[in-house]
Amino acid sequence: DAGITQSPRHKVTETGTPVTLRCHQTENHRYMYWYRQDPGHGLRLIHYSYGVKDTDKGEVSDGYSVSRSKTEDFLLTLESATSSQTSVYFCAISDTGNTEAFFGQGTRLTVV
Amino acid sequence: GNSVTQMEGPVTLSEEAFLTINCTYTATGYPSLFWYVQYPGEGLQLLLKATKADDKGSNKGFEATYRKETTSFHLEKGSVQVSDSAVYFCALSWGGKLIFGQGTELSVKP
Repeated sequence: DAGITQSPRHKVTETGTPVTLRCHQTENHRYMYWYRQDPGHGLRLIHYSYGVKDTDKGEVSDGYSVSRSKTEDFLLTLESATSSQTSVYFCAISDTGNTEAFFGQGTRLTVV
Repeated sequence: GNSVTQMEGPVTLSEEAFLTINCTYTATGYPSLFWYVQYPGEGLQLLLKATKADDKGSNKGFEATYRKETTSFHLEKGSVQVSDSAVYFCALSWGGKLIFGQGTELSVKP
């Protein structure tokens, strides 16, 4: 299995609080991605990174920010969580961006 | 922008039936195309891929052909099993950006 770990795996937080999800990889892959998965919407890209300090927006980036200060870690931050951000969040990594992506186990976030 | 559209589910089949899940895409340039599968409670895993027009990806009895003229990448399997029950996602990658369709749930009954 690809070395990719998401933390935490489950989190309940209150509306208006900041939340940070972490994705850690041991594969030295260049590309890292954050997705959210919601019923009826499939997997939607939030942000992705193509190198240290290089990031770009995806389809649903509003309300989210990311940081990648080292190759192995990609952080997703919800600055002020809202109930619409209740979802399952997946991190993925890819070596070249056009080859197989490996997924983490997901983080279930509930905003109450 | 780039996008992927899949047929809506759920799809319910009897064991040994033929499976087709339609996928079409919109892209600038020539993306790589993928099918991923997600089993309950798990992350996605790659099922097959194709990187250029007319390529056929195959794995575990599943096949899909990259059709540039129809911008399609339909998934097929000749005889499904109960163990194939899962959610299937079509995806494209262009310039490192990996985009998924909405997923199609497949349920195979004995």
